[in-house]
Amino acid sequence: EDQVTQSPEALRLQEGESSSLNCSYTVSGLRGLFWYRQDPGKGPEFLFTLYSAGEEKEKERLKATLTKKESFLHITAPKPEDSATYLCAVRGGGSNYKLTFGKGTLLTVNP
Amino acid sequence: EAGVAQSPRYKIIEKRQSVAFWCNPISGHATLYWYQQILGQGPKLLIQFQNNGVVDDSQLPKDRFSAERLKGVDSTLKIQPAKLEDSAVYLCASSLLAGPDTQYFGPGTRLTVL
Repeated sequence: EDQVTQSPEALRLQEGESSSLNCSYTVSGLRGLFWYRQDPGKGPEFLFTLYSAGEEKEKERLKATLTKKESFLHITAPKPEDSATYLCAVRGGGSNYKLTFGKGTLLTVNP
Repeated sequence: EAGVAQSPRYKIIEKRQSVAFWCNPISGHATLYWYQQILGQGPKLLIQFQNNGVVDDSQLPKDRFSAERLKGVDSTLKIQPAKLEDSAVYLCASSLLAGPDTQYFGPGTRLTVL
């Protein structure tokens, strides 16, 4: 069974204070690791997909990296508008390609 | 491009009552997913449709939950009868195809069962 563990559960940063979120996973035949952002009262918003160890993707102040066991979401010089819950999900090699999500990291960036 | 639409956005019912949620996926998306997200948890897949056929409903509590996707476009998810533990946000997502395609989520329906 695919499993995803995210840490920390919550993270509070000052504006401009860079940090990283962790996503550890076990999956049979990784077919993609996904990062989503979820604001209160909204559905998850797609950020990145990573497919193989060593791959990196960037978007504004966010950079996602992938190893064989975990992924990191690096946030550089965050702003208050980056405050949200960040969800990590994996897609295994099953025939239905379903996503298994972690519980998320609640990020709060104070001005 | 319009996103995934869901209605209603909020619903409050008494336990043992029935409720239905509606989802309209992104135009042209063949695959539709229903997820349940309990407060403080990540979304959990309930059912996946490819066009109007069910691909995976292994985590759907079939004694009380049902879903259909007539004509391969809109979908409805029904709960009958509802239990207190069904209180959650029900998210609909769609993707162009199954497999590696990105899933795009709707805003969700927040269900409270009293």
